[in-house]
Amino acid sequence: DQQVKQNSPSLSVQEGRISILNCDYTNSMFDYFLWYKKYPAEGPTFLISISSIKDKNEDGRFTVFLNKSAKHLSLHIVPSQPGDSAVYFCAASARETSGSRLTFGEGTQLTVNP
Amino acid sequence: NAGVTQTPKFRVLKTGQSMTLLCAQDMNHEYMYWYRQDPGMGLRLIHYSVGEGTTAKGEVPDGYNVSRLKKQNFLLGLESAAPSQTSVYFCASNPSGGRNIQYFGAGTRLSVL
Repeated sequence: DQQVKQNSPSLSVQEGRISILNCDYTNSMFDYFLWYKKYPAEGPTFLISISSIKDKNEDGRFTVFLNKSAKHLSLHIVPSQPGDSAVYFCAASARETSGSRLTFGEGTQLTVNP
Repeated sequence: NAGVTQTPKFRVLKTGQSMTLLCAQDMNHEYMYWYRQDPGMGLRLIHYSVGEGTTAKGEVPDGYNVSRLKKQNFLLGLESAAPSQTSVYFCASNPSGGRNIQYFGAGTRLSVL
């Protein structure tokens, strides 16, 4: 059972516009959420995170929104740049989970067109 | 500052062969992880370790073994490779406690023929 799901395998946007990547989860024990970015032939790198006690966290052009009642989070990138083209993974963890384990979604390929 | 280093970067195996993937981190992190990434399935946890001398099973541990003899190294072994183990393997590490971010290596692309 996929506990973290990214329903859109791909997303294409124009440079300068907003990119919105979505993620849904089913495990109500998840209380910490992260977004990772991955370029080809590289490992994932941390982008932004949010705790379940918040509903929004912002870092420059990147904002993550959390809707706990809907078990949904989204990543907004404004304005989008060609260098943002990458695969974005949503991940979640639960406080009582041993060893800070993360559960990842399938990933969304974002393409930002010049 | 090397961070997390994985060797080798690429490998081709024949069915039934064995091999070991090495992960080394120079950040003095307690926790280390092995994931596999397959198309449409994201990253799935194979095994992890919460400290030197400890290992635990993740989501997809079958067909793999691990060892953490030294704090900085985490080895992933395939005793008898199968085509289903064709994948990209990532190692990650983070400090103990709290909600620390995991740092990833660049990956090992493995093909089993």
